[in-house]
Amino acid sequence: DGGITQSPKYLFRKEGQNVTLSCEQNLNHDAMYWYRQDPGQGLRLIYYSQIVNDFQKGDIAEGYSVSREKKESFPLTVTSAQKNPTAFYLCASKGLASTDTQYFGPGTRLTVL
Amino acid sequence: GENVEQHPSTLSVQEGDSAVIKCTYSDSASNYFPWYKQELGKGPQLIIDIRSNVGEKKDQRIAVTLNKTAKHFSLHITETQPEDSAVYFCAVGGGGADGLTFGKGTHLIIQP
Repeated sequence: DGGITQSPKYLFRKEGQNVTLSCEQNLNHDAMYWYRQDPGQGLRLIYYSQIVNDFQKGDIAEGYSVSREKKESFPLTVTSAQKNPTAFYLCASKGLASTDTQYFGPGTRLTVL
Repeated sequence: GENVEQHPSTLSVQEGDSAVIKCTYSDSASNYFPWYKQELGKGPQLIIDIRSNVGEKKDQRIAVTLNKTAKHFSLHITETQPEDSAVYFCAVGGGGADGLTFGKGTHLIIQP
């Protein structure tokens, strides 16, 4: 069964703690993305990666970090520097061709207690 | 950077009627325009997309129209059904591997 998996589905964190969200895909996609979604807002791009060991900042990268050690995996770390981390986080992937579709995972809801 | 405006934010229609959602964008170099449907607590799912070399695309009850001169595109859903109730997002991209820029979403409510 091909697709994008994100874990965990729900995550709770205390203020001041770093937390890492997992994203795995078995679609053989080169490009992977992290978006943040807040209530009543569209999706905003945090980071993206087009190739292993390389990634670029999106529109709201401050307070986040990523790594791309494997093609299949693109974990996102929400650091204590992120002032308002409570949100719904969505991972996506696509091929590099302009005709390729971007597919989304099921999301992780992060709540800071 | 790209700026995407989406209207309306909420749309309520009677079952069986049509629904239209509109988006405008700012970057004339953009050439990829997908529409996503998101159900509560789930990730967005692509329902239809259009590229700048065509003006209209249809898939059963769903259609998208694109006016590159005016920099706007629209989603049309005909013969609406209860399962069409969801939040719909338009997005704009350069067609390559860069990320998409999303509108703020339209909450579509189908009244029985």
